[in-house]
Amino acid sequence: GESVGLHLPTLSVQEGDNSIINCAYSNSASDYFIWYKQESGKGPQFIIDIRSNMDKRQGQRVTVLLNKTVKHLSLQIAATQPGDSAVYFCAENSGGSNYKLTFGKGTLLTVNP
Amino acid sequence: DTAVSQTPKYLVTQMGNDKSIKCEQNLGHDTMYWYKQDSKKFLKIMFSYNNKELIINETVPNRFSPKSPDKAHLNLHINSLELGDSAVYFCASSYGGNEKLFFGSGTQLSVL
Repeated sequence: GESVGLHLPTLSVQEGDNSIINCAYSNSASDYFIWYKQESGKGPQFIIDIRSNMDKRQGQRVTVLLNKTVKHLSLQIAATQPGDSAVYFCAENSGGSNYKLTFGKGTLLTVNP
Repeated sequence: DTAVSQTPKYLVTQMGNDKSIKCEQNLGHDTMYWYKQDSKKFLKIMFSYNNKELIINETVPNRFSPKSPDKAHLNLHINSLELGDSAVYFCASSYGGNEKLFFGSGTQLSVL
């Protein structure tokens, strides 16, 4: 559903559950993708990135999946913690542009203790 | 030490005024950016500079003038401020193109 006021897609999970945040990107020529986390009052913080020659990449508690066929990106967070509560953005390099990252709409993740 | 620092953090001003936001990065990056985040959290690129040279100008009104005196600094000057300029402005830097961006903590601009 949507968060009233911010109009962001929202995801609410219980602490300890796994979270999956989805993103549809727009340009089939994009070849670099990033996930960012933004906490209230702070700047976006890098989580994980992936290039188009891969379809999966893992970090600490996070996994990014890339499906180029349907232009879909997902972020999986394992064992979600209250500190994971934030707005999550996917970004693409806009059709291969070297100096322009285009951000998606953002998803508000709320972790309930 | 803060990697990407921007000042001021808050800026409240009247319509028609001119204001500047400063940004400095100590990461040794070649590329710097300005992004604007609106009230719905949408992040949109405004400018990108590589080695002090303007690379991207994303159809921003010419009231906005970025200036990069050296690779570590990218300042943003805004003339004749309008109500619609109210937003959070983020500076960012990266090693080059197609690399992850490191963001500052933002400048909340409120135009009254």
